[in-house]
Amino acid sequence: SQQGEEDPQALSIQEGENATMNCSYKTSINNLQWYRQNSGRGLVHLILIRSNEREKHSGRLRVTLDTSKKSSSLLITASRAADTASYFCAWAERDSSYKLIFGSGTRLLVRP
Amino acid sequence: EPEVTQTPSHQVTQMGQEVILRCVPISNHLYFYWYRQILGQKVEFLVSFYNNEISEKSEIFDDQFSVERPDGSNFTLKIRSTKLEDSAMYFCASSDIGVAYNEQFFGPGTRLTVL
Repeated sequence: SQQGEEDPQALSIQEGENATMNCSYKTSINNLQWYRQNSGRGLVHLILIRSNEREKHSGRLRVTLDTSKKSSSLLITASRAADTASYFCAWAERDSSYKLIFGSGTRLLVRP
Repeated sequence: EPEVTQTPSHQVTQMGQEVILRCVPISNHLYFYWYRQILGQKVEFLVSFYNNEISEKSEIFDDQFSVERPDGSNFTLKIRSTKLEDSAMYFCASSDIGVAYNEQFFGPGTRLTVL
């Protein structure tokens, strides 16, 4: 299967805590992107990390990529109730320039 | 900030009817995509479009589906004869260069309900 997995499937934390979500994929990739989706809404692009990068930061977001393990993680620091959403990783496979393959997503609940 | 827009936000149709979902990609983008998300499931790639032709399509994108860029701004997905299983959220996306190199930006989606 081209698909990967994300874990955990669901995560519930207290406001102010950090949230870590993991993504695994199966093929060689050009880049990996993280998206947020609020319930029933569109996909908001968060961050892109290229295959030759190991770590990237954007505000309270930190993304890591380990191509040897075919895995990535998204860390949200000092979480807020507004961070409650589903988070998806998606990757561009090396042999295909024309699509993203999405992971299964992590549902994050941040309790006030 | 430029964004991808989609219309309608919700479309209800009878099984067997044709539907056209419309998208306006970000204006300087050259690559266009359709994805779908069945309720509670993963986002699935349908088709990509560049230089007025399909670049890649998935197994889901069978003869019932077609895409078109009828003018310089719109990008449409047509489903000729809808089935119950076509009920899903359909997302349009665009990117300035190929997704291998840069971000892909998504619209808010059209929720298609087939009765």
